[in-house]
Amino acid sequence: DSGVTQTPKHLITATGQRVTLRCSPRSGDLSVYWYQQSLDQGLQFLIQYYNGEERAKGNILERFSAQQFPDLHSELNLSSLELGDSALYFCASSVVASNYGYTFGSGTRLTVV
Amino acid sequence: GIQVEQSPPDLILQEGANSTLRCNFSDSVNNLQWFHQNPWGQLINLFYIPSGTKQNGRLSATTVATERYSLLYISSSQTTDSGVYFCAVGSGFGNEKLTFGTGTRLTIIP
Repeated sequence: DSGVTQTPKHLITATGQRVTLRCSPRSGDLSVYWYQQSLDQGLQFLIQYYNGEERAKGNILERFSAQQFPDLHSELNLSSLELGDSALYFCASSVVASNYGYTFGSGTRLTVV
Repeated sequence: GIQVEQSPPDLILQEGANSTLRCNFSDSVNNLQWFHQNPWGQLINLFYIPSGTKQNGRLSATTVATERYSLLYISSSQTTDSGVYFCAVGSGFGNEKLTFGTGTRLTIIP
């Protein structure tokens, strides 16, 4: 167990639907990152939150949004889902300016049918 | 943005063999991490190594920041070493976003 908890582990949904992925960071970590891993795009950075505030944005579609709550857990909302959104979505957490790097959760595998 | 290239893309080795994986990056970085993605999809942090050399058991890594490359050494390979090894770099302050390479797929044959 890495200490980063992601739920659900698997999700199958239809095109056009909306889903919410949840992430609880490792105890003490203030930064949460979301990454998407697809076969054609590899591992791509989506967004980072630090202590409740958006810190950096990557290749995140407008149909996607995220937030970090006061208890530091984070949610990634994906709406108007398309077949191409099928991917493994990872959450990671870290202490900013540490020497330990990222700790990844086990991911949520999203299948859009 | 920063470009990250990893080589070789695929590597098939007999159990017990040694291997060297390479990561080249296109610009100065202050964050470099090596990850192992096991066959179940889990990403495990192996090293945080923006410069210098580190060792952890059979694994070691060296980053030469001035020449923009990093090497991951795996000695006495075991079947559990199979999976994809990713190099990821960042240039922001502290642990900011990382740019991942396309990975090296390592297969260890018993």
